Amino acid sequence: GIQVEQSPPDLILQEGANSTLRCNFSDSVNNLQWFHQNPWGQLINLFYIPSGTKQNGRLSATTVATERYSLLYISSSQTTDSGVYFCAVEFVMEYGNKLVFGAGTILRVKS
Amino acid sequence: DSGVTQTPKHLITATGQRVTLRCSPRSGDLSVYWYQQSLDQGLQFLIHYYNGEERAKGNILERFSAQQFPDLHSELNLSSLELGDSALYFCASSVEYSTVGAFFGQGTRLTVV
Repeated sequence: GIQVEQSPPDLILQEGANSTLRCNFSDSVNNLQWFHQNPWGQLINLFYIPSGTKQNGRLSATTVATERYSLLYISSSQTTDSGVYFCAVEFVMEYGNKLVFGAGTILRVKS
Repeated sequence: DSGVTQTPKHLITATGQRVTLRCSPRSGDLSVYWYQQSLDQGLQFLIHYYNGEERAKGNILERFSAQQFPDLHSELNLSSLELGDSALYFCASSVEYSTVGAFFGQGTRLTVV
């Protein structure tokens, strides 16, 4: 099946710093999403980005599908950005679909 | 608010018991997915339903079962619970067959004691 690897596993930032999170995947994908899991456990959609670049405020994402990686950029980080960031790709099964998640990047932003 | 509602939010139960987790998808969404998140296994796919029919199974134990009802809400039944079943259980929904645009509920945190 498809493999999804995220790096770094852990990241500590000072408030105001920028960061780049990476997601590598082993096969071509139709769907790639980035999620943020907040300290209360909720999974929040950040981007649906199977290819190209998107921006939403201080966050942006780029997926280079031909090279099988995606990057999530966080600029001017805030303490509320803390949590776990997951990349997930769609795996098409015989009669259904599933999202395959990476192990996540744990981000801690210190004030 | 993702529009996907899961109840209950927290559940504490004893080993050997049976529980039912409920998921109401976003209005108009036909696909429902269940995931289990544990510290050692990460986010694992359990099962996919589309418009009332089971479509795909992942690493779902035989003690676990699910259904999607005609009104499209779904239930995940966990029986003969073991300590290792303690986890966060998520439901997600999407409009069509694909996971594109899937949104997740807030999860049910199950603790087995």
